Amino acid sequence: KNEVEQSPQNLTAQEGEFITINCSYSVGISALHWLQQHPGGGIVSLFMLSSGKKKHGRLIATINIQEKHSSLHITASHPRDSAVYICAVMEYGNKLVFGAGTILRVKS
Amino acid sequence: DGGITQSPKYLFRKEGQNVTLSCEQNLNHDAMYWYRQDPGQGLRLIYYSQIVNDFQKGDIAEGYSVSREKKESFPLTVTSAQKNPTAFYLCASRSSGSHEQYFGPGTRLTVT
Repeated sequence: KNEVEQSPQNLTAQEGEFITINCSYSVGISALHWLQQHPGGGIVSLFMLSSGKKKHGRLIATINIQEKHSSLHITASHPRDSAVYICAVMEYGNKLVFGAGTILRVKS
Repeated sequence: DGGITQSPKYLFRKEGQNVTLSCEQNLNHDAMYWYRQDPGQGLRLIYYSQIVNDFQKGDIAEGYSVSREKKESFPLTVTSAQKNPTAFYLCASRSSGSHEQYFGPGTRLTVT
């Protein structure tokens, strides 16, 4: 079993839909990251959180430390949101462990 | 502009040849990392360096080598001993005071 599991693996949505991507992990962590990878391959950091909830524009990330679970929500989705979304957990010692990613496609 | 550069974006090599991937950062970050990405899998750590002249093996170091002679540079050599070198390689860096890693644009290596 992978230490970081994401679901779903693939997601297709219509423009405007509310999207949720889930991440579950099995190890103790100091922080959790949500990353976005565009088709060209470059990765950008969306959020880093260790508790509660963060919001940036149409993106919301939540984490439940007790349940070892995090969600990334996208409100009013748009075709430009199409990308791979990656959950990564920071183990103690500053080692990042990555999920396999969720491929999101938003159709207009 | 501050950031991480990796070159080239695409690299093709014949089997049996060593190849070196470049990673440079001007963020003044102490820590640097090399990851490998394969389809359907999460990124996996190859090597990392917390400080100049020091580096440690990650989870999949076999067939790879690195050096960290300068703070700004962390080149990765893919040797002929690496059994499946074709992959997408990402370099990242991190400030010692932060958990956040910044990623380069990646190099796609194809070995035939």
